[in-house]
Amino acid sequence: SQQGEEDPQALSIQEGENATMNCSYKTSINNLQWYRQNSGRGLVHLILIRSNEREKHSGRLRVTLDTSKKSSSLLITASRAADTASYFCATDGSKLTFGKGITLSVRP
Amino acid sequence: EAGVAQSPRYKIIEKRQSVAFWCNPISGHATLYWYQQILGQGPKLLIQFQNNGVVDDSQLPKDRFSAERLKGVDSTLKIQPAKLEDSAVYLCASSERGDEKLFFGSGTQLSVL
Repeated sequence: SQQGEEDPQALSIQEGENATMNCSYKTSINNLQWYRQNSGRGLVHLILIRSNEREKHSGRLRVTLDTSKKSSSLLITASRAADTASYFCATDGSKLTFGKGITLSVRP
Repeated sequence: EAGVAQSPRYKIIEKRQSVAFWCNPISGHATLYWYQQILGQGPKLLIQFQNNGVVDDSQLPKDRFSAERLKGVDSTLKIQPAKLEDSAVYLCASSERGDEKLFFGSGTQLSVL
């Protein structure tokens, strides 16, 4: 299966701290995406990194991809209470497949 | 730009009843997806349309689930008859042709009692 597996399952940090979330997958991919889901809402696309890229930035987000280790990490810097949500990695091989997600809680 | 519209927002039915969900994708988006998200899990793809043709329905329980996308725009997903394990959020998403980024609707939360 190409399904990404996120780690940790849950993360609780203080506002202003950095949050690091990891994703591992099993087979080769075309790209890897990260999505955010607020409670009771749909998913929102955050960032896409292609298999030939190693690092990408978007605002307070930094994503890395290591295809040799089949892993990716999402770093949110200077977290805010509004970052409280579930975060999903999605791997795109022949189709987009989502992991189970990481629940991030940012305490004010 | 208007987002992906879904209705209803919530639905409660009894097992063995039928239910239908509606989705209106972002204008101009050729690809439409239906995902099932069970509580505590990630979304699972049920069916993918390219215009009004089916690209992937390998994980759609075809004995009870059906979906159509007439005229390559709106789509409906139907469950008949519903089972307790169908309780989930049903998410619709769309994307531009050739673009890997998906735009999701807010979903329909289905409770089967």
